[in-house]
Amino acid sequence: ETGVTQSPTHLIKTRGQQVTLRCSSQSGHNTVSWYQQALGQGPQFIFQYYREEENGRGNFPPRFSGLQFPNYSSELNVNALELDDSALYLCASSLSQRNEQFFGPGTRLTVL
Amino acid sequence: AQTVTQSQPEMSVQEAETVTLSCTYDTSESNYYLFWYKQPPSRQMILVIRQEAYKQQNATENRFSVNFQKAAKSFSLKISDSQLGDTAMYFCAFLRNNNNDMRFGAGTRLTVKP
Repeated sequence: ETGVTQSPTHLIKTRGQQVTLRCSSQSGHNTVSWYQQALGQGPQFIFQYYREEENGRGNFPPRFSGLQFPNYSSELNVNALELDDSALYLCASSLSQRNEQFFGPGTRLTVL
Repeated sequence: AQTVTQSQPEMSVQEAETVTLSCTYDTSESNYYLFWYKQPPSRQMILVIRQEAYKQQNATENRFSVNFQKAAKSFSLKISDSQLGDTAMYFCAFLRNNNNDMRFGAGTRLTVKP
């Protein structure tokens, strides 16, 4: 059974650029949640995708958007990057919206 | 809004000893889930233990157990027979029964010393 994977591992961007982060869910999982974890803090919920539809969103602006594909993998897109977007971005998959979430290793985004 | 508070930013324990990490939360809900996650330096978040609020019995997973006090809105994690591999950040998390917005505390950095 393959666990949750994320790519890339690290990414450096400059202010104003756009970035796409990718997540492959664990086999059989149809729900993907994305979190932002700033240095020294706990993760903050960005949004969740269930069967290719957005299924809940945290307090993040519209420039944070996402997609889920038929194979349940997911992308997180961030437009007009700001310095404060520098963080570890975590993806978690689950069997349904409220089951146990399995996390990926994260993508470390640095915005200069 | 639900908030989760972990009042111990850092803790340390000697190998083989017992340590308790504290967590309190604020909610008006009656049905919810509570979790403890471990994030080692390799950074992959791993579920340690979960508790359903409707269950009075405290959850236990091998060396890990919780003390769930619903009225006090407290959810502490006890690690028995601490091992070097337990060194990590520990996050307490709250999830409402009809919601998908998991709320995390700020974390406690636990160091197990040989």
